[in-house]
Amino acid sequence: AQSVTQLGSHVSVSEGALVLLRCNYSSSVPPYLFWYVQYPNQGLQLLLKYTTGATLVKGINGFEAEFKKSETSFHLTKPSAHMSDAAEYFCAVSDQNAGNNRKLIWGLGTSLAVNP
Amino acid sequence: DVKVTQSSRYLVKRTGEKVFLECVQDMDHENMFWYRQDPGLGLRLIYFSYDVKMKEKGDIPEGYSVSREKKERFSLILESASTNQTSMYLCASSLHDTPSGANVLTFGAGSRLTVL
Repeated sequence: AQSVTQLGSHVSVSEGALVLLRCNYSSSVPPYLFWYVQYPNQGLQLLLKYTTGATLVKGINGFEAEFKKSETSFHLTKPSAHMSDAAEYFCAVSDQNAGNNRKLIWGLGTSLAVNP
Repeated sequence: DVKVTQSSRYLVKRTGEKVFLECVQDMDHENMFWYRQDPGLGLRLIYFSYDVKMKEKGDIPEGYSVSREKKERFSLILESASTNQTSMYLCASSLHDTPSGANVLTFGAGSRLTVL
């Protein structure tokens, strides 16, 4: 069965510092991988996704993530944190070979705090 | 620019009451989902629907039912609300023409339900 592990339920960084949010997955087949962000009092929105091709994917607001098959990881990074990045971040995976797959497997989320 | 609308942001109900949570999307999406979000537990799928009048159980369907009479509307029903159903409920929708597209979810802002 697929699973997603987000290391660190809470991460705190200083404004301007590197943001690194970790996500590891387990899957017996090639996965699709996603990062979603939830700002306070809002629903989730897609930050970026990996399907096929280039393993480094860029998303909105300066975020990017790299798919590393050998490490089964899809860590999210941003070179310089901004106060507006404070949010909850969710990693998710789905099964590429499941045809019209409609279900995502979600990590438990990482709450990012950005300190001035 | 609103795409997924949840009718109530905050509801307070009493134990045993019947509760309806309504969700409407204007993107002509085939798939619709209901999740509940609880601290430390991430997102858990309650039910989803991939077509009008179709529904499938998610991971935690007990105590819930759903209705999808029109493509744009997906309702979550708590037949007899209990205190352990106090939670944030998130509705989402997606296309199902491609596996990757099927997992690009558009979320509503959420409905926070408190059951006393």
